Amino acid sequence: DADVTQTPRNRITKTGKRIMLECSQTKGHDRMYWYRQDPGLGLRLIYYSFDVKDINKGEISDGYSVSRQAQAKFSLSLESAIPNQTALYFCATSAGTGGAMGYTFGSGTRLTVV
Amino acid sequence: KQEVTQIPAALSVPEGENLVLNCSFTDSAIYNLQWFRQDPGKGLTSLLLIQSSQREQTSGRLNASLDKSSGRSTLYIAASQPGDSATYLCAVITDKLIFGTGTRLQVFP
Repeated sequence: DADVTQTPRNRITKTGKRIMLECSQTKGHDRMYWYRQDPGLGLRLIYYSFDVKDINKGEISDGYSVSRQAQAKFSLSLESAIPNQTALYFCATSAGTGGAMGYTFGSGTRLTVV
Repeated sequence: KQEVTQIPAALSVPEGENLVLNCSFTDSAIYNLQWFRQDPGKGLTSLLLIQSSQREQTSGRLNASLDKSSGRSTLYIAASQPGDSATYLCAVITDKLIFGTGTRLQVFP
């Protein structure tokens, strides 16, 4: 089983719909992150969480919200999806300050908003 | 604001060549640096993690170096193979991960 699992792998949704992307990890890491990747723009940080009670906005948090349900689970919600949220979304984990053991990424969720 | 730049943006080489991919960052106050590989439409695979106290790391045909004072890291790929074709991303680690824009590598037979 993968260390970081994202569901669903692919999703097509309509404009205005609410959608949730889920991430779970078996790494035992305390820190979790959501990134989106767009062609030509690279990976950009949406939200991150250093523990269950800690949620922080990244550089592009508008239109998104997150929930850290447990140490191992971190979900990303689009309250009202719009076409420019079409992208590849990645969840990542790390342990401790400075990512001394590096970051581990999930396989991604390809989201299309029509 | 930390900015991470990768040069070249794209590279196409014949099989067997030794390659150097470059990564530069503007703020030397980083904890660590990590190199990833990404195949088209796929996830990120970690290649090498260099901690700030280290100057290089090696894994198989890959060698990555880090010079914090000059804000540079290089990824050296020896004896390139078609299977090395992918996008290579460097990322500096502060309290979060900040990515470069990547180098798209194509190795042809």
